[in-house]
Amino acid sequence: SQQGEEDPQALSIQEGENATMNCSYKTSINNLQWYRQNSGRGLVHLILIRSNEREKHSGRLRVTLDTSKKSSSLLITASRAADTASYFCATDATGGGNKLTFGTGTQLKVEL
Amino acid sequence: DSGVTQTPKHLITATGQRVTLRCSPRSGDLSVYWYQQSLDQGLQFLIQYYNGEERAKGNILERFSAQQFPDLHSELNLSSLELGDSALYFCASSVEDRNYEQYFGPGTRLTVT
Repeated sequence: SQQGEEDPQALSIQEGENATMNCSYKTSINNLQWYRQNSGRGLVHLILIRSNEREKHSGRLRVTLDTSKKSSSLLITASRAADTASYFCATDATGGGNKLTFGTGTQLKVEL
Repeated sequence: DSGVTQTPKHLITATGQRVTLRCSPRSGDLSVYWYQQSLDQGLQFLIQYYNGEERAKGNILERFSAQQFPDLHSELNLSSLELGDSALYFCASSVEDRNYEQYFGPGTRLTVT
């Protein structure tokens, strides 16, 4: 079953703009991870945020976590055409044995 | 490149057959996970091994089995294949068995005809 729901399902922006994706989940978590997947290829790990963290940065990526609302957001600043991909959030639920439960994904298209 | 390797890249086989997918984790990682990605089910966790022992089980069919060997590589065996088993199968690894990043391999695309 899908624990995470990403919003929006699809997003189309111009190069240089910022892209924001949101993820909601249902249970208590140890951490939440964001991944990128280019068309049918492998998943690339972007960032992990633990349940006791509220915000994390990595290059052009900024992730926030609000455990009271059971939600997270991924912000990609100054987007590039190469950022075009599907983005997934995945939760490591408390007591879940470190298995990841993935959301449905946001398809991001960055146009020149 | 995540450091996780999977073979083969593609596999085409007929219904009723049996296949074995292989995964080598990143150097130093003790935990291996298998996931299935299909259009209708999305990304689903199948099973986790840690240092040779099964740690967690997800929606894995009885026709599927896995193991992790002493050198920490893992194999996923799929038998009595059905058309619905066509999917991308990913292996991931992490340093420990909980609360760490999971790094994914490139996947094996299985097509059952």
